[in-house]
Amino acid sequence: EVQLVESGGGLVKPGGSLRLSCAASGFTFSNAWMTWVRQAPGKGLEWVGRVRSKTDGGTTDYAAPVKDRFTISRDDSKNTLYLQMSSLKIEDTAVYYCTKEGSGWYGALAYYYMDVWGKGTTVTVSS
Amino acid sequence: EIVLTQSPGTLSLSPGERATLSCRASQSVSSSNLAWYQQKPGQAPRLLMYGASSRATGIPDRFSGSGSGTDFTLTISRLEPEDFAVYYCQQYGSSRFTFGPGTKVDIK
Repeated sequence: EVQLVESGGGLVKPGGSLRLSCAASGFTFSNAWMTWVRQAPGKGLEWVGRVRSKTDGGTTDYAAPVKDRFTISRDDSKNTLYLQMSSLKIEDTAVYYCTKEGSGWYGALAYYYMDVWGKGTTVTVSS
Repeated sequence: EIVLTQSPGTLSLSPGERATLSCRASQSVSSSNLAWYQQKPGQAPRLLMYGASSRATGIPDRFSGSGSGTDFTLTISRLEPEDFAVYYCQQYGSSRFTFGPGTKVDIK
């Protein structure tokens, strides 16, 4: 069974740091592009960032609100994705979901979506 | 950055009725990079459609997607009790994902 399990959420003060983990199973993690998505209380979905597979460069992309504060990394030997969050702000309070990206080709154009989601872990930033 | 707008914000319907949800983009979106997700209270989102009109694994055929350019539609042909949820559209472009604000389908 394909599964993603997030952990590491909790209560942190503004300006603090936290590292989230996402344990993957049931698929070849090393080949997967992985994404973090968050959802503030009562709000919609917001893309946080992604990491490509090592064979595709292992590079990362980030949303503007978290760029330079959050870092996404992966340990393929442990089938684990990480989100290191620093300089946390109150507006970072959210449920953080780990997702696996699906992809395909439409002619010469690559397309992407999120085909597997974890249950999420809650991060609360408050003094 | 492409902004997605979804309408209506809330759709109140009865089981068995047809639901039509709209997603409009601020600029043209490649059809292949438009996806739809369903989210029920207290649960993670679930992929419904990708490539604007391809159903994800296990999604029943009462769900269909269409559209191109800036206007996309998710249609649920006959609402089942388990379909009452929030639906989000999502686009990908320039190495970024963006989501629409969601449409809530609730029971009339």
